Amino acid sequence: AQSVTQLDSQVPVFEEAPVELRCNYSSSVSVYLFWYVQYPNQGLQLLLKYLSGSTLVESINGFEAEFNKSQTSFHLRKPSVHISDTAEYFCAVSRLNTGFQKLVFGTGTRLLVSP
Amino acid sequence: DAMVIQNPRYQVTQFGKPVTLSCSQTLNHNVMYWYQQKSSQAPKLLFHYYDKDFNNEADTPDNFQSRRPNTSFCFLDIRSPGLGDAAMYLCATSSMRGANTEAFFGQGTRLTVV
Repeated sequence: AQSVTQLDSQVPVFEEAPVELRCNYSSSVSVYLFWYVQYPNQGLQLLLKYLSGSTLVESINGFEAEFNKSQTSFHLRKPSVHISDTAEYFCAVSRLNTGFQKLVFGTGTRLLVSP
Repeated sequence: DAMVIQNPRYQVTQFGKPVTLSCSQTLNHNVMYWYQQKSSQAPKLLFHYYDKDFNNEADTPDNFQSRRPNTSFCFLDIRSPGLGDAAMYLCATSSMRGANTEAFFGQGTRLTVV
């Protein structure tokens, strides 16, 4: 079985400041790793994913995440946040090579960006 | 270009009155999923369809059923909604073909039980 831990339920930050949202996972098998973003009353949008290869993955809107196998972590970072980044962020895993995307999610981190 | 469409976006139903939520997709994906997301909680997988094969998660209550009449549509039926079933219900799709490793989500349906 897999589990995902997001220790920070809420992270307040000022606009243009850097931010890190933490994610740790536990799994007895190899997994894919994902970050999804959810705006109020909306569905989930994929932010970025780690499948294999380079451990640093980037999104088109300035977020990046680094897979650390020894620490079983996949923390999300952004060097300078915008007001529009205010949202709920979910880290998720799915089992490798099954073909399915049966996602196990963490409890989410609410990012609150203020002026 | 909406790819996974959920209707309605908001649904109010009475306690114990059956309700159906709808999901359609234009991606021609062969796998469709239903997740339940209660307030301030993580989305939780209820079940999925691989083509016409239905796969229930072990802890999904019997009160929840699903139908997939064709590739494009999938329905979530709640036979007797209780107050505890109030949640956002998310539909997602993925493909078993090729190297696609991403799930695509709809906008969700927020269910209120009164």
